[in-house]
Formats: sequence, C-alpha cells, structure tokens
Amino acid sequence: AQSVAQPEDQVNVAEGNPLTVKCTYSVSGNPYLFWYVQYPNRGLQFLLKYITGDNLVKGSYGFEAEFNKSQTSFHLKKPSALVSDSALYFCAVRDGSVSARQLTFGSGTQLTVLP
Amino acid sequence: DADVTQTPRNRITKTGKRIMLECSQTKGHDRMYWYRQDPGLGLRLIYYSFDVKDINKGEISDGYSVSRQAQAKFSLSLESAIPNQTALYFCATIHRGLNTEAFFGQGTRLTVV
Repeated sequence: AQSVAQPEDQVNVAEGNPLTVKCTYSVSGNPYLFWYVQYPNRGLQFLLKYITGDNLVKGSYGFEAEFNKSQTSFHLKKPSALVSDSALYFCAVRDGSVSARQLTFGSGTQLTVLP
Repeated sequence: DADVTQTPRNRITKTGKRIMLECSQTKGHDRMYWYRQDPGLGLRLIYYSFDVKDINKGEISDGYSVSRQAQAKFSLSLESAIPNQTALYFCATIHRGLNTEAFFGQGTRLTVV
C-alpha cells in the first residue's frame, strides 16, 4: 500500500524568509510525486510534480521541490515567502507501475506567512 | 466555465436522507475520482473509475455508492446520510498517462444534521 506523511500540521514563516513544507512517502514501485495547494473555499490546484529526471523540480508561483530517494522525501520549498502563499498544501503520491490506479494524499500542512 | 464542475456546492440534509453529488468534466479525461476532505485527515479516496464499466472502491467506500453515467459524468450517492458523513467532497479527473496531474472541482460542502 502507498502512503504519504506530512509531519507538520502548521508551518509559520515570516514574509521574505525561505519556507519548507515537508513530505515523506512510501510506495512499492517508482514514486510519482505531486504538490497541490488549496486556498479557502477552493478546490486543489496543481503546483508541481516529480516523475523522473532532475531531483529538483520547479513549479508554479516560484515553488520548487526536492526529491530525495534515499530519504523517501519530497519537500516543498520557496526561497522567499509571500503573504499570499498562505494556504493549505497537500503532497500526493502515485505508484509508477503500470497497474497503479490510486492517487494518495497526505493530511495537509497549513502554511501561514506572517507580514 | 470550469473544467470540472460539481453540483451542488453546498447542501444541508437530514440524517437518513438519500443525496446525490454530481460531477461533470470537459477535459476528456477517462479517470475520475471522489474524495472527502476532513480537517487533519487530508483527502481520502471514496471511489474511482477508469471508464464507464470500471468502478473501484477506495479506502472509505462504506456508506457510499457511485455511478459513471458517461465518460464525462461521475456521481456520488449517500443512500442514507449520517452525521459523520459531514465533510467537503471533491471530484477529480486524471488523464490516462501515469505522469499527469489531477484536476479538481470546487468541492461540495455537505452537512448532515
């Protein structure tokens, strides 16, 4: 079975400081990893994904994420946080095998950027 | 118009009532999913479908049923609603390829009283 863990329910960071939102995963095959963001009263929006290749992937709104196979992690990062980045962030994983069918989400991390 | 549309957006219903949540998509994706979101629990998969004849249970399917009426439509039913089914429900679609991301509807906030 595949799973995702987001160890922090809440992350607070000052505007202009770097931010990190943590994610670890478990999957039997090759991991396909995704980050989504949810603003209040909205659906989830795709930020970025790792499928293969370069371990550092770049996505929307200046976000990036680093895939670390040995630590089974896929942490979301941004060099300089904005107040408008405040939202709920979800990490998700899909097994890369041909038979994989499910997309599994973590419990979410509420990011608050303080002015 | 949104690519993935959920109706209704909000619903309050009484315990024991049957209710249907609808999802339609214009992206032409073959894969559709129903999730529920609860605070602190993230999104949990209820049912998913890879085409009109391929329906599968997710991790929390008890108390729910689904219907894939067409490639573009996937409905979720609560046959007899109970208060712990109060949640935010999301429909999502994914293209056939394994490396593609999901597209989500705006969500349906369901309250069972």
